[in-house]
Amino acid sequence: GGIITQTPKFLIGQEGQKLTLKCQQNFNHDTMYWYRQDSGKGLRLIYYSITENDLQKGDLSEGYDASREKKSSFSLTVTSAQKNEMAVFLCASSKPRDWGSSYEQYFGPGTRLTVL
Amino acid sequence: GDSVTQTEGLVTLTEGLPVMLNCTYQTIYSNPFLFWYVQHLNESPRLLLKSFTDNKRTEHQGFHATLHKSSSSFHLQKSSAQLSDSALYYCALSDRSGSWQLIFGSGTQLTVMP
Repeated sequence: GGIITQTPKFLIGQEGQKLTLKCQQNFNHDTMYWYRQDSGKGLRLIYYSITENDLQKGDLSEGYDASREKKSSFSLTVTSAQKNEMAVFLCASSKPRDWGSSYEQYFGPGTRLTVL
Repeated sequence: GDSVTQTEGLVTLTEGLPVMLNCTYQTIYSNPFLFWYVQHLNESPRLLLKSFTDNKRTEHQGFHATLHKSSSSFHLQKSSAQLSDSALYYCALSDRSGSWQLIFGSGTQLTVMP
């Protein structure tokens, strides 16, 4: 087994502020993901990383930066927080791609962002 | 590109009645993986079911689904709904050809009433 931890659990920011969210996993998974979840809008992929130092843009990457410092950690930066923004940011990881792996993703508990 | 369609945004039913949540998909690849994730209030999504075998029923925690490649469907069913089944359900698609992404549907909010 393993676990994904996300910090902070709650993040309150000011308009225009740069905000960083962190994710750690001890599954020893190669691939990690950042999703944004807005009420009524499902899960939208922001960035993902296949391996350390790799970054791939998702559909919602504009306004965000990401960093994969090492295999176990993946950070997301909101480059300029938008006023009245509220969302949950979910980190996930998945097994390496090999025969027999079905690529299911395991999710962390989330970071709830509120921008004042 | 690949896509997943969940036609019902909201499903409300009475405890004890059967549950069926629809999921259809579109992909150019012949070996898709299909998943159902469940997300309870204030929790993160967790895997409920997965399948890549055509016409084989997969079951977990009272829920079941069968992948039908002929109709590109992976509907989620349960014979008798419980109050604790109230949650947001996502259908998702992956393929074994190399994509690293899961393609999620828009989700179905299931509410079970007493």
